[in-house]
Amino acid sequence: AQSVTQLDSHVSVSEGTPVLLRCNYSSSYSPSLFWYVQHPNKGLQLLLKYTSAATLVKGINGFEAEFKKSETSFHLTKPSAHMSDAAEYFCVVSDDSQGGSEKLVFGKGTKLTVNP
Amino acid sequence: DADVTQTPRNRITKTGKRIMLECSQTKGHDRMYWYRQDPGLGLRLIYYSFDVKDINKGEISDGYSVSRQAQAKFSLSLESAIPNQTALYFCATSLPGSSYNEQFFGPGTRLTVL
Repeated sequence: AQSVTQLDSHVSVSEGTPVLLRCNYSSSYSPSLFWYVQHPNKGLQLLLKYTSAATLVKGINGFEAEFKKSETSFHLTKPSAHMSDAAEYFCVVSDDSQGGSEKLVFGKGTKLTVNP
Repeated sequence: DADVTQTPRNRITKTGKRIMLECSQTKGHDRMYWYRQDPGLGLRLIYYSFDVKDINKGEISDGYSVSRQAQAKFSLSLESAIPNQTALYFCATSLPGSSYNEQFFGPGTRLTVL
């Protein structure tokens, strides 16, 4: 079965500095991968998704992620953090182990703090 | 704007009580899901439904039941609530098709079982 591991439970950066949130995946199939963001007291919003069309995926709010098959990684980056980026971020893989089930498997989340 | 709504948004109940959480959507999606979120554990799938006559157990279905009353409505029930069911519950929807279709999430229901 597919799984994802988010390597950091908390990341703290200063406003204006780069953001790196790390995610490794385990999959016996060609995976579909997603990053979702959850702002405090809000639902989840899709940031970006990888669907094998291109290894570098651009998302909303200046975020991007690069799919690296050799490293089984899908790290999320942003060149310059903004205070509004403070949130919890989830790396997600689509579990196709049952053929078309399309269930999502979530990582445990990384809480991003942005300091002024 | 098309949306996924959940009621109630917050609920406090006592051990042993029956409780129902409701989800409605105006997106016209066939597929609906219930997740629970616990701190440090991410989201875990409770039940999912691909259409009105198709209900499937997820990763953690014990202690829960669901009802798909219509394409737009998917309810989650706790027949006899227990304290370790205290969590944030999310409903989500998606279009059928390939696995790269995103899921759209409601705002969540915060449930506390005393």
